[in-house]
Amino acid sequence: GNSVTQMEGPVTLSEEAFLTINCTYTATGYPSLFWYVQYPGEGLQLLLKATKADDKGSNKGFEATYRKETTSFHLEKGSVQVSDSAVYFCALSWMDSSYKLIFGSGTRLLVRP
Amino acid sequence: EAGVVQSPRYKIIEKKQPVAFWCNPISGHNTLYWYLQNLGQGPELLIRYENEEAVDDSQLPKDRFSAERLKGVDSTLKIQPAELGDSAVYLCASSLGGQGTYNEQFFGPGTRLTVL
Repeated sequence: GNSVTQMEGPVTLSEEAFLTINCTYTATGYPSLFWYVQYPGEGLQLLLKATKADDKGSNKGFEATYRKETTSFHLEKGSVQVSDSAVYFCALSWMDSSYKLIFGSGTRLLVRP
Repeated sequence: EAGVVQSPRYKIIEKKQPVAFWCNPISGHNTLYWYLQNLGQGPELLIRYENEEAVDDSQLPKDRFSAERLKGVDSTLKIQPAELGDSAVYLCASSLGGQGTYNEQFFGPGTRLTVL
C-alpha cells in the first residue's frame, strides 16, 4: 500500500548545526510530496512541497528534493535555530480531487542553544 | 484572517460517554477534513467534505463515529459511545477545494481527547 516512512526521533542538535530528516515513500503513480511542521500547541503548517520528480521545495531555509529513483524526500537545513524545535511530518498526496494526505509518523527536532 | 478554529481544545470523559468536537474552517474554504492523530503517529484521514457532502468517509468507524456539515460551513464530529482507544488528537483542516489543482490544507490546533 501507500505509505511514508520517516527517521525516528527525537533528533537533538546544537544551534547552527546541519539538519537532515530522512523520508522515504511507497506509492503507486507519482504523488506530490510535502513536509509539514507542528510547533508546540499549534496546528500543522505546510513547510514545503514538490509536485514532480527532481523538484526542490524550499521555505524558511529548509529544502527537500523529490527523488523518484530513491523514492525519497529528505528534509535539510544548513543551520538550525532554537525556534526550529518542532515535530516534522513528511506526507504524500495525489493530484486528483481527493488530496488525501498520507503522513509519516513524525520526527521531533530539539535544538539546543 | 482567522485560521481553522476547533473547540474544545481538551476534553476528558469517562468511557461509554458521548463526546462532540466542533470545527469552523477558514472562510470560503469548501473542503473540510477530519483527521485522527494517535500519540507518536501522523494524522490519518477520517472524513472529507466538499461543501455539505461527505465525499470520502471510508476510514470513519461508522458504528460509533458520526459527522455532519449541515450548511457547508462548520462541522461537528461525534463519538458515541467513546472507548479507551479513542484517546487521541482530533484535527480539522480546510482547503479551497475544487478538482484538478492543488489546494493547501490548513490545520486547526486540534482537540485532545482523553477517555478514562
